[in-house]
Amino acid sequence: EAGVAQSPRYKIIEKRQSVAFWCNPISGHATLYWYQQILGQGPKLLIQFQNNGVVDDSQLPKDRFSAERLKGVDSTLKIQPAKLEDSAVYLCASSSFREPQHFGDGTRLSIL
Amino acid sequence: AQTVTQSQPEMSVQEAETVTLSCTYDTSENNYYLFWYKQPPSRQMILVIRQEAYKQQNATENRFSVNFQKAAKSFSLKISDSQLGDTAMYFCAFMKPNTGNQFYFGTGTSLTVIP
Repeated sequence: EAGVAQSPRYKIIEKRQSVAFWCNPISGHATLYWYQQILGQGPKLLIQFQNNGVVDDSQLPKDRFSAERLKGVDSTLKIQPAKLEDSAVYLCASSSFREPQHFGDGTRLSIL
Repeated sequence: AQTVTQSQPEMSVQEAETVTLSCTYDTSENNYYLFWYKQPPSRQMILVIRQEAYKQQNATENRFSVNFQKAAKSFSLKISDSQLGDTAMYFCAFMKPNTGNQFYFGTGTSLTVIP
């Protein structure tokens, strides 16, 4: 089966600019997750979708981050405006009920 | 809230030797799943092994096995016959299926296999 697809693989922007990441989960997976992973740390959940509804967005900095999964399939995560501390790898994962998460390759974001 | 603790930030092992990575968790749930994920320097997270809490038998996957102690809330990973390709970050994870598959990750253990 095809894995979780993410794009772009790398992104470099200046602070205060905006950026968007895209994720296409494994077909049939109802749950989609976005994580932020800072170098040397574990993944931090930003938002979790169940189909097109939000299960958990308690750690999403809502003043600058937004995410959507309009049709319950692919998803976009946006940062506007970016700050230096947003430099990280953004991971997307998906899962079906009672099954482990499958991760994409991630997007490495560098803020100048 | 669920917490997952990995008390060993870094470990090393000689090639072909055995190493055990520790993980403890705190939960009041009775139905849950536990996982070990591996993240090599190329950064994609890969599932290594899974354990359902209702199963008493410890899971094994080739050279990887777990020691699941439900009462002690402990879930350690044993890697036998360590290989250079095992060098990676290892994350322990806890999942609650009844609340929409919520996952909780530990802070990770960086394992280096020494030739």
